[in-house]
Amino acid sequence: RKEVEQDPGPFNVPEGATVAFNCTYSNSASQSFFWYRQDCRKEPKLLMSVYSSGNEDGRFTAQLNRASQYISLLIRDSKLSDSATYLCVVNANTGFQKLVFGTGTRLLVSP
Amino acid sequence: NAGVTQTPKFRILKIGQSMTLQCTQDMNHNYMYWYRQDPGMGLKLIYYSVGAGITDKGEVPNGYNVSRSTTEDFPLRLELAAPSQTSVYFCASSSSRDRAEDTQYFGPGTRLTVL
Repeated sequence: RKEVEQDPGPFNVPEGATVAFNCTYSNSASQSFFWYRQDCRKEPKLLMSVYSSGNEDGRFTAQLNRASQYISLLIRDSKLSDSATYLCVVNANTGFQKLVFGTGTRLLVSP
Repeated sequence: NAGVTQTPKFRILKIGQSMTLQCTQDMNHNYMYWYRQDPGMGLKLIYYSVGAGITDKGEVPNGYNVSRSTTEDFPLRLELAAPSQTSVYFCASSSSRDRAEDTQYFGPGTRLTVL
């Protein structure tokens, strides 16, 4: 089983749609969780951290379910500029910041 | 403030050649990392460093070497290039604060092809 698993997509949605991505992780001792965004042929950039209480940043909402070892990202009112690959990232908590990256979910927003 | 910079952006190597991928950060971060990203795969950690003079292996270190003589620089060395090392290489750094949630900042990447 992969340490971090994501549906690779692509998710094709029209502008204005709401889309949700899911991610599962295998290490129950993981402490920190993130969503990174990666544009085509670019470096990953932090989109948001994910907290147990859930957190929201504008049109983006992240949720964490520790019992099910499941992380989600919800994007409301999709924009063309949201087209990218979204990486689910987990800190394996080995004493320093060892991040484990999912393979990413590709989102394509069309006019 | 440039963040994390990497050179070169692109490189084609012949099998058996060697090269050094350069990485520099100007954020005074203690932690630095090298990853590789193959098509359709997640980033894999090659080597990391927790400070000048201290390096350790990540998940896929074979065929690579690193050094960390200064806080700013973390070069990655390929000694005998092989086609399996064709990939995109990202360098990253994170804060000197030893907290699990600190963000990693990535450089723009080096696209390496070994023929």
